[in-house]
Amino acid sequence: GNSVTQMEGPVTLSEEAFLTINCTYTATGYPSLFWYVQYPGEGLQLLLKATKADDKGSNKGFEATYRKETTSFHLEKGSVQVSDSAVYFCALSLYGGSQGNLIFGKGTKLSVKP
Amino acid sequence: EAGVVQSPRYKIIEKKQPVAFWCNPISGHNTLYWYLQNLGQGPELLIRYENEEAVDDSQLPKDRFSAERLKGVDSTLKIQPAELGDSAVYLCASSLVATSYNEQFFGPGTRLTVL
Repeated sequence: GNSVTQMEGPVTLSEEAFLTINCTYTATGYPSLFWYVQYPGEGLQLLLKATKADDKGSNKGFEATYRKETTSFHLEKGSVQVSDSAVYFCALSLYGGSQGNLIFGKGTKLSVKP
Repeated sequence: EAGVVQSPRYKIIEKKQPVAFWCNPISGHNTLYWYLQNLGQGPELLIRYENEEAVDDSQLPKDRFSAERLKGVDSTLKIQPAELGDSAVYLCASSLVATSYNEQFFGPGTRLTVL
């Protein structure tokens, strides 16, 4: 079946540290890949996306590259800030009958300490 | 521009009682989704509407859950009767159209507690 696996949290970092949150997927066909972020008390919002192999999505200093050969979409940021503290969800969406339906990972909680 | 609106934000009920959640999507968005998010988990799709038609309700537990989207705008999700295991956050999302690459916009969710 189609699924997303992301690294377990919580992840605790000091401000300005480098961040990597691993995400791998299993999918029939060629999915689009997303990172959504949920700040405390708010709804999920799109952070970045990539729709085909080797695409790089980027936003707010975060980046992720769609790697078809390793079925991965790891999230990275070179220098995290306290304001990046949130839960991060990796997700995929498929073409075809379930088009548009998002399949999410379990989420990774990030805490950044000053 | 207003985002996706959901109400209520919180609901506490006793088991076997009915409950309903309401969602108003972003204006002009044809596709509306209801997701269920259990504690510590990612959201899982319950139902997807394209305009007023439920095009994917394969994950909706139809013995107790029902949904409607009259006139292709607002939507209501109902549980009757509620069970303890239904305690979760119910998320509504919308997008312009249902494609694999379109962004979905999420509401803040309704947190349901069943006692």
